[in-house]
Order: sequence, then C-alpha cells, then structure tokens
Amino acid sequence: NAGVMQNPRHLVRRRGQEARLRCSPMKGHSHVYWYRQLPEEGLKFMVYLQKENIIDESGMPKERFSAEFPKEGPSILRIQQVVRGDSAAYFCASSPNSVPTGTPFFGPGTRLTVT
Amino acid sequence: AQRVTQPEKLLSVFKGAPVELKCNYSYSGSPELFWYVQYSRQRLQLLLRHISRESIKGFTADLNKGETSFHLKKPFAQEEDSAMYYCALSGRSGGSNYKLTFGKGTLLTVNP
Repeated sequence: NAGVMQNPRHLVRRRGQEARLRCSPMKGHSHVYWYRQLPEEGLKFMVYLQKENIIDESGMPKERFSAEFPKEGPSILRIQQVVRGDSAAYFCASSPNSVPTGTPFFGPGTRLTVT
Repeated sequence: AQRVTQPEKLLSVFKGAPVELKCNYSYSGSPELFWYVQYSRQRLQLLLRHISRESIKGFTADLNKGETSFHLKKPFAQEEDSAMYYCALSGRSGGSNYKLTFGKGTLLTVNP
C-alpha cells in the first residue's frame, strides 16, 4: 500500500489562475480530509468527503474553493482565481472510517505558491 | 471553540537529556488528544494518542484534565528525534469527531 498520494508536490500559480490539487487515498479508504497549513501556523481543517459526498465543508473559504471526491479517481481540491494569501501547504488525509476509530493517514502535501 | 496551544516554537536539547514538549488545549467536551511527528522531508505521521496509553519510540504523554495539558516527554533524547511535533485534538463523540485541531507545532532539535 503506497500510502496517501498527493500531486503535484509543488505548484506555482500566478494570481488569478486556477489551482487543482489531487489526492489519492490509501487503498480501501473511503474518507478523505483536506487541511491547509499557512506559514507559521498549524494545520487547519477544510473539508471532509466520502465518495461522491461532501460531509463537512465548514473549514472551506466561502468563495473560490471547492472539493470533490468522485466515484472513480482522486479527490480534487480546486482553487479558482488564486490570490497570494492562498500560498500554503495543503495536506490530504484518508481513513477507512471516521477519526478517531480510524486515525487518518496523511499525504506528503502540496505546497502552493502564488506569485 | 476548541484550541490547541504549543507555547514553544523551537526547542533545543542535547543528546541524552530529557525532553518535554508542551501542549495545552481548550475543549468543552471530552477530547481525544494526539501527537503527530513530521521528520525532515517526510509526511506527518501519528506518534501516539492518549486513548491507547502507549509508549512509542520512548515517548509518552499523559492527559491531565485538571491542567488541560497533554505534554510529550522522553527521558533521554536521541538525535533521530529531531523533527517537528504537532499536538492535536478531536472530539470523542458527536458529529465532528473526525475533525482534528492542530497546534502550531514545536521544532525539536537534538544536538550531539
């Protein structure tokens, strides 16, 4: 089992462009979580998804951010019209069932830089 | 609101010395507490959780509900313990027990 995969590992976007971050959960895991880590901060919860369902998006900014976890394929975190303040590390985690009974496994993160 | 505070951004000790990484939390219900570790260029991984009361790599952490603390301790630090350590909590029950709240992390450096 290769673990949670995220790509790209590094992404550079100009202001106004779109960023797409991908997360492939561990095999057999149907729960995906996205966290954002701003510079000098801890990880902050963004969204929790199960296959084809958004369970909790209370941590997502109201505009420009969206997430999906389709029946087939990876989970995608999409940021439209990026701004400098979106520069951060974005971590994906997955679990076979909800935390804490299934403690999530984290991916290596995608470091987004907006120029 | 739930909050995790790690008061030390940086902690430096010598090899063989005891180490304690502090973590305080604020939570209205019954929390579950975790320590995560991130070694250089590696992904975040679970070190230990209070509910399992394990000792991993010589580290222990005790939940002190009176002081709302979950400090991480190791009696004799090793150079390979150098890493970023994050304290985190989640609720034990209710609709959002999957949501982890992290502290800002403490960078531990163990000098030879």
